Amino acid sequence: DVKVTQSSRYLVKRTGEKVFLECVQDMDHENMFWYRQDPGLGLRLIYFSYDVKMKEKGDIPEGYSVSREKKERFSLILESASTNQTSMYLCASTTGFFTEAFFGQGTRLTVV
Amino acid sequence: GENVEQHPSTLSVQEGDSAVIKCTYSDSVSNYFPWYKQELGKGPQLIIDIRSNVGEKKDQRIAVTLNKTAKHFSLHITETQPEDSAVYFCAATSLGGGGADGLTFGKGTHLIIQP
Repeated sequence: DVKVTQSSRYLVKRTGEKVFLECVQDMDHENMFWYRQDPGLGLRLIYFSYDVKMKEKGDIPEGYSVSREKKERFSLILESASTNQTSMYLCASTTGFFTEAFFGQGTRLTVV
Repeated sequence: GENVEQHPSTLSVQEGDSAVIKCTYSDSVSNYFPWYKQELGKGPQLIIDIRSNVGEKKDQRIAVTLNKTAKHFSLHITETQPEDSAVYFCAATSLGGGGADGLTFGKGTHLIIQP
C-alpha cells in the first residue's frame, strides 16, 4: 500500500516562528502536493512539485515556501507563522496524470 | 483556472436511502473527475473517478455520472450505511492533467446517515 506520512498530527507554534511541515511518501511517486483545508473552503492547493528540486505555485502560495531535495520528501515551510495560517495541512502524492492522489493523515497547525 | 462548485454542503439521509451529491465545473477542457471520501481524523481517500470519455461508472453501491455538455457530475450512493457518514469532495482537472497540475476541489459535502 502507498503510504504518505506527515511528521506531526498536531502542532502549536507562536506567531513569527519558522515552521516546517514534513511529508514522506514510500511509492516513488513523481508528484507531490501541499493542500490547506479549512471549514467551508474545502482543499486549496498551496504548492506542488513534479520532480526533485522543482516546485510550482498553487492557488494560495503567499506566506509559504517548499523544498524537495529528495524524491520521497516534500517540505512545507512557513517563514514567519501568522494566526491566519492556523489550519489543517494535507500532503498528497501521485504517480502521474489522471491518477489517484494519496493523502497523508494531515497536520493540524495552530498558530498562537 | 478551474472552479468547482459542490452542493449541498450538508446532507442528512436515513439509513438505507440514497444520497446524491452534485458538482459543476467551469473549464470545458477538464477531463478527469474523481471523488474523495474523508473520514474524521484522516486524509481524503479516492472512492471513484470518471474520465470525460465515459458518461457513467459504477462500483457496487457507488456510481458517478458525468454530463460534459452541462459541465456537471454527480455522486450517487445507494442503500446508505452508517459507515458512509463522512465528508465527500468532488474534484476536476484543468488542461495539463490532474495528477501533476493539482486537482481543483469542491468545498465538500458532509454526509450524515441517520439510523
